[in-house]
Order: sequence, then C-alpha cells, then structure tokens
Amino acid sequence: AQTVTQSQPEMSVQEAETVTLSCTYDTSESDYYLFWYKQPPSRQMILVIRQEAYKQQNATENRFSVNFQKAAKSFSLKISDSQLGDAAMYFCAYRSASNQFYFGTGTSLTVIP
Amino acid sequence: SQTIHQWPATLVQPVGSPLSLECTVEGTSNPNLYWYRQAAGRGLQLLFYSVGIGQISSEVPQNLSASRPQDRQFILSSKKLLLSDSGFYLCAWSSTANYGYTFGSGTRLTVV
Repeated sequence: AQTVTQSQPEMSVQEAETVTLSCTYDTSESDYYLFWYKQPPSRQMILVIRQEAYKQQNATENRFSVNFQKAAKSFSLKISDSQLGDAAMYFCAYRSASNQFYFGTGTSLTVIP
Repeated sequence: SQTIHQWPATLVQPVGSPLSLECTVEGTSNPNLYWYRQAAGRGLQLLFYSVGIGQISSEVPQNLSASRPQDRQFILSSKKLLLSDSGFYLCAWSSTANYGYTFGSGTRLTVV
C-alpha cells in the first residue's frame, strides 16, 4: 500500500523568508499525482499545488513551488517570501492511478513576524 | 463551476443521540465522494468513500454509516453517538477530470 510521510511535525519561518516542507512517499506505481494541501485555522482544506508524476518539470504556483524527485520518491514544498497568512497545517497527499488518496500526517507551519 | 456544500458547520450533540451530516456537490456528475474525520491536531482519517449511487466503501469499522441516495449527495449518519465520535468531519469530492480533492468547509462535531 502507498504511504505518505511528513517527517516534520512542526516548522517555523521568519516572515519574508523561505521555508521547505518535506514529504516522501512509497509506491510501486509509475502514474500518480501528488498534492500539497493547506489547512488554516478555519480548517478549510485548500489545494495549494499539484504535480503529475509523468511531468519532469516542477510545478509552481506563485510563491509556492515543489521539488519533485521521482526516483527518490520525494515531493517537497517550498514557500518563498513567507507571509503571515501562510501559517497553517500543510498536508502532502498522493493520488494513485485507481483514484485512491493517501495523506501524510501534516506539518504545522508557524510564520514569525 | 463545481462547488461543494457541507452542513452544519458546528454541531453539539449529547451521547446516544443520532447524527446526520450532509454533503452535496454541484456542477459535476458522478463524482467520487468521501468522508474524512480529523481529530484535534491530527491527520485525516478516511471513513467512507463512494464511487456511485448506493455504493459505499467503509475504511474503518465504527459507529458511523454513510449513504448516497443521489448522485451528488453524501450523508454521514449515526444512530447513537459516542464521545469518541467528536471531531472535525470533512466531505470531499474528486473525479478523473479533477485530479485532486475539493473539500467542503467541514463540520465540527462535539459529543457531550
């Protein structure tokens, strides 16, 4: 079965600085999707960014980008120019070819003013 | 555009009372629907998922049940709530066209 591991339960970053959240996964599939979700204090889950495994180019959405290392099964999220509104719980997720989703345990990000 | 509605937002129920949480999706057909539970400060636990009307798969044996009476309606129920049922419940949908999940706004359930 696929597993998703987020080894950093908590992270902090100074406002305007850059932070990287780690995520690794285990799979035998070659076709899948990876996601980062943000859960702010309101607890609404918001899709931040997604990556198709067949694409070598790393996905980017404004200040958010990923470092996708398929061979290493690593999918880290980089947040540039961190803002106070970035403070949230971040979940890494894997979607299999059969449309099954697997979530990591989350990383709580604190942004220090 | 597709939207997902989940209600109520907050619920306080006594132990032993019934539960009904509803989730509806608009703007898409035949979505895959999911119910997740999240305990405070914890990750997401998949409770049920459905790939079609009347088709329910349970991931975790528990005090809860789910039903899908219509294509875009997903209901989470319990006949008798337990204290351990407290938590934050999230409904989500996905499709082959929508590669990721879209989540509802969640229901905060407190069983007292």
